[in-house]
Amino acid sequence: DAGVIQSPRHEVTEMGQEVTLRCKPISGHDYLFWYRQTMMRGLELLIYFNNNVPIDDSGMPEDRFSAKMPNASFSTLKIQPSEPRDSAVYFCASSLAGRTEAFFGQGTRLTVV
Amino acid sequence: EDQVTQSPEALRLQEGESSSLNCSYTVSGLRGLFWYRQDPGKGPEFLFTLYSAGEEKEKERLKATLTKKESFLHITAPKPEDSATYLCAVQAASNYQLIWGAGTKLIIKP
Repeated sequence: DAGVIQSPRHEVTEMGQEVTLRCKPISGHDYLFWYRQTMMRGLELLIYFNNNVPIDDSGMPEDRFSAKMPNASFSTLKIQPSEPRDSAVYFCASSLAGRTEAFFGQGTRLTVV
Repeated sequence: EDQVTQSPEALRLQEGESSSLNCSYTVSGLRGLFWYRQDPGKGPEFLFTLYSAGEEKEKERLKATLTKKESFLHITAPKPEDSATYLCAVQAASNYQLIWGAGTKLIIKP
């Protein structure tokens, strides 16, 4: 398996624009996590899904953030409108029920100017 | 409140100089403690899971240990390729979320 695949790797956008980050989890994994990493706050869990259903979105900072998982092999994290303080590295991770280690993608580095 | 504290923030060692990284935690019922390694520009890479006090796991030059309040990641005779940020996370018995520490940046000089 190629591991967790995220796209794009880098995104530079202007404030106010919509940004969509994409994730393909490892085949067969039934948990999917979206994290944000910054120097100031470290790794923060934004939302996680189990069997494509959002379980806990309490980490989503504002209504500007939304996440979907239309099927077992694809998830999106959308920010609309984007703001400079959203600049960070966003990671997607997946894991198997009953096994608790999560496997991370390479991340998307988002810069909002 | 569930919390994870890692120390030191950064550690510089000479190649071959053994040392330990610390992860202190407070959690209402521990489901598991995890160690990850993160290289610049990459996602965290899983190293170990520890479930109960007294448990130890080893992988190459790394050994992780767990007590009721903390975990240590021991690095024996490190090499420059061991340079990375090492992250610790705990999972409470009450939910599936991981609570992450801020990490220890390890630099091994040749």
